[in-house]
Amino acid sequence: EAGVAQSPRYKIIEKRQSVAFWCNPISGHATLYWYQQILGQGPKLLIQFQNNGVVDDSQLPKDRFSAERLKGVDSTLKIQPAKLEDSAVYLCASSGTGSGYTFGSGTRLTVV
Amino acid sequence: GNSVTQMEGPVTLSEEAFLTINCTYTATGYPSLFWYVQYPGEGLQLLLKATKADDKGSNKGFEATYRKETTSFHLEKGSVQVSDSAVYFCALLRSGNTGKLIFGQGTTLQVKP
Repeated sequence: EAGVAQSPRYKIIEKRQSVAFWCNPISGHATLYWYQQILGQGPKLLIQFQNNGVVDDSQLPKDRFSAERLKGVDSTLKIQPAKLEDSAVYLCASSGTGSGYTFGSGTRLTVV
Repeated sequence: GNSVTQMEGPVTLSEEAFLTINCTYTATGYPSLFWYVQYPGEGLQLLLKATKADDKGSNKGFEATYRKETTSFHLEKGSVQVSDSAVYFCALLRSGNTGKLIFGQGTTLQVKP
């Protein structure tokens, strides 16, 4: 089965610019997650979707971050405007009934 | 609240040495416990898991036992290889297959020939 697809793989932007990341989960997985992994730390959940509804976005900095999941399949995560401290790897994952998490390879964001 | 604490790294071992990476957790209820591995430049891969007390997860020579009495899930391997060099993350999931994974800070393992 195909894995979780993410793009782009790398992105370098200047502070105050905007950026968007895309994720395509495993087919049939109802739950989609976005995690932020800052260098030297474990991943931290930003937002969890169940189909196209938000289950948990308590750790999402809503003044600058937004996310949507169109038709309960693909998802995009946007940062606008970016800050230096947003430099991190953004991981997308999906899970389904009877199957655990599968992570994508991530998008490495560098804000300069 | 729920949290995971791992031993600090980096851990540097010679090939064929014995590996232990300590992990303890704080959680309400009966969480599932996981070890994930992240090789350089790659995403997170599930290494092993245990879903209830006294379960032993194992994979690729690694193993960990869910110890509820000590709230621990230590990762062990009898003989490490250079190819095991990676960052290892301990994590918990409160229940089921969905929900927030809570990760420890990660432990870097470097194995020298």
